[in-house]
Amino acid sequence: SAVISQKPSRDICQRGTSLTIQCQVDSQVTMMFWYRQQPGQSLTLIATANQGSEATYESGFVIDKFPISRPNLTFSTLTVSNMSPEDSSIYLCSGVSTEAFFGQGTRLTVV
Amino acid sequence: AQRVTQPEKLLSVFKGAPVELKCNYSYSGSPELFWYVQYSRQRLQLLLRHISRESIKGFTADLNKGETSFHLKKPFAQEEDSAMYYCALSATGGGNKLTFGTGTQLKVEL
Repeated sequence: SAVISQKPSRDICQRGTSLTIQCQVDSQVTMMFWYRQQPGQSLTLIATANQGSEATYESGFVIDKFPISRPNLTFSTLTVSNMSPEDSSIYLCSGVSTEAFFGQGTRLTVV
Repeated sequence: AQRVTQPEKLLSVFKGAPVELKCNYSYSGSPELFWYVQYSRQRLQLLLRHISRESIKGFTADLNKGETSFHLKKPFAQEEDSAMYYCALSATGGGNKLTFGTGTQLKVEL
């Protein structure tokens, strides 16, 4: 099955700054998604990354805070903007071909 | 909106004992149900999905629409089964967007 390389694997950031997370898939996939896992909680879908157009955000998530790009069928980025300590989470990208598969995750700590 | 419930945060069993990880869901349509597993320091990966009706690594799960459950079972636990297990649901026409439960940490003791 396809493999996603996600980077960075972890980062510690100052509040008020932004971090961009990248995901590269080793083959073309139809769908890509971004999830967040806050401490002690489950994975929550942030948005669907649409190739060549604006992402589709779930309730509670907005483009200004989590801008997403997907320029082609193998690559996507998620930016966490103007970070606060509440953004400290694990962020995961997912691709879908015959099934959903995941990147290694990015563990973000905002101080 | 759909919801997935995994009532146990931690399940501890002895090697060779049966394992059952519980998963209940709420959804008005016909869902697709999955079990994902995350071993220590590895990425989240698909274990099994209800439509394939497979046994993977000795694990099985049957979708019970009457009880809205999708419990994961294995007759004899192995030490290498120790991991975090997530039940997930994809809604009809959901385009493979997944709703996850909170996960159950399975610990198999010797």
